[in-house]
Formats: sequence, structure tokens, C-alpha cells
Amino acid sequence: AQSVAQPEDQVNVAEGNPLTVKCTYSVSGNPYLFWYVQYPNRGLQFLLKYITGDNLVKGSYGFEAEFNKSQTSFHLKKPSALVSDSALYFCAVSDHGSSNTGKLIFGQGTTLQVKP
Amino acid sequence: EAGVTQFPSHSVIEKGQTVTLRCDPISGHDNLYWYRRVMGKEIKFLLHFVKESKQDESGMPNNRFLAERTGGTYSTLKVQPAELEDSGVYFCASSPRGISTDTQYFGPGTRLTVL
Repeated sequence: AQSVAQPEDQVNVAEGNPLTVKCTYSVSGNPYLFWYVQYPNRGLQFLLKYITGDNLVKGSYGFEAEFNKSQTSFHLKKPSALVSDSALYFCAVSDHGSSNTGKLIFGQGTTLQVKP
Repeated sequence: EAGVTQFPSHSVIEKGQTVTLRCDPISGHDNLYWYRRVMGKEIKFLLHFVKESKQDESGMPNNRFLAERTGGTYSTLKVQPAELEDSGVYFCASSPRGISTDTQYFGPGTRLTVL
């Protein structure tokens, strides 16, 4: 069965420092990986995805993620955190088994707190 | 271009009552998904429509949940009768092609509270 793990419930970082939100996955076949962000009282917003190609994927709001096949990880990163980045972040993998319907399997979410 | 919209944003009902959630996907998106996040846990898939047809309803928890998408446009998710464990945030998403590499665009969610 395919699964996603976000090992940290919360990540705290000071404004201006680099941030990393961790995600590991377990899939059969090639992984299609996604990051979404949920700001307070808002819906999920797409940040970026990895399908194939370059292991470093760039996305919205200055975020990027690094795909590492050997470590089965897809960590979300940003060189310099902003207070406005404080939100709930979800990693997901697309279930592309025999049905290939694109349903997403999510991790539990990581709350990012950026302090001034 | 309008995004995915959901109504209501918040619903509070008593156990045993009926609630209907609505989702309007992005115009032109044939694929519509329902997900649910319960008690701060992971977001879980409920079902997937392609136009008006249910492509995959493997995530529907039980027969108290009924989803429809008449005409292949908006979708409704009815919970009847509601139980306490149904409380959570219900998200709707849409995508153009419904394949594994597609980006799904999510609505703001409906927060359901069953008392």
C-alpha cells in the first residue's frame, strides 16, 4: 500500500532562517509527489509537484522541494522563512495503481511556525 | 477563472440529522474528488467522479454517505443520518484529466460539526 509520512507535527523556525518540512513516501512504481499548504481559514493551495526529471522542484512563494529516490524523501524547503509562511503543510503522493485515477494519499500535515 | 467553491463553509448539526454539502468544481474540469480530514489527522480520499459517473468510491466510510454529480457539474455529498464521528473538514477538489500526474485544485472546505 502506498503511504506518506510527515514525521514532525510542528516545525519552528526564526524569520530569515532556512526551513525544511520533511516528507517520506512508500510507493510501488514511480512516485508522483505533491506539496500543499493550508493557511488559517483557507483551503488547500498547491505549492509544487514532482513527476519526473530534475530532482529539485521549484514552486510557489519561493518554496522548493528535493526528490531523493534512495531515501524515498521529498522534503520541502525555503532558503529564508517569512512570518507569513506560518501554515499547515501537507505532503501527498498520487495513487497510480491499476486505476490511475489520481487520488491523493496525504501525510498527517506539519504545522510550520515562523517567529519574528 | 473561478476556483473550486464549497458551500456551506461551516455546518453545525445534531446527531441523527441530515446535512448536504455542495461543491462546484473549476469550469471544464471533468474530474471531481471528495476528501475528508477528521480530528487533525491526515486528509483521506472519499470518492472520485468523472463527469457524472463514480469512478472510485472506495473511500466512502459507509452507506450513510451519498454523493451525486447530476449533469456532471456540481456535486453534493449527503450525510444521513449524521453521527459524531462524521465531524471534520470536507474538501472538494477538481482536475482536468483525472490522472496521476494532474494537479488537483482544492476548495476551501466545509467544516462539519456533529453534536
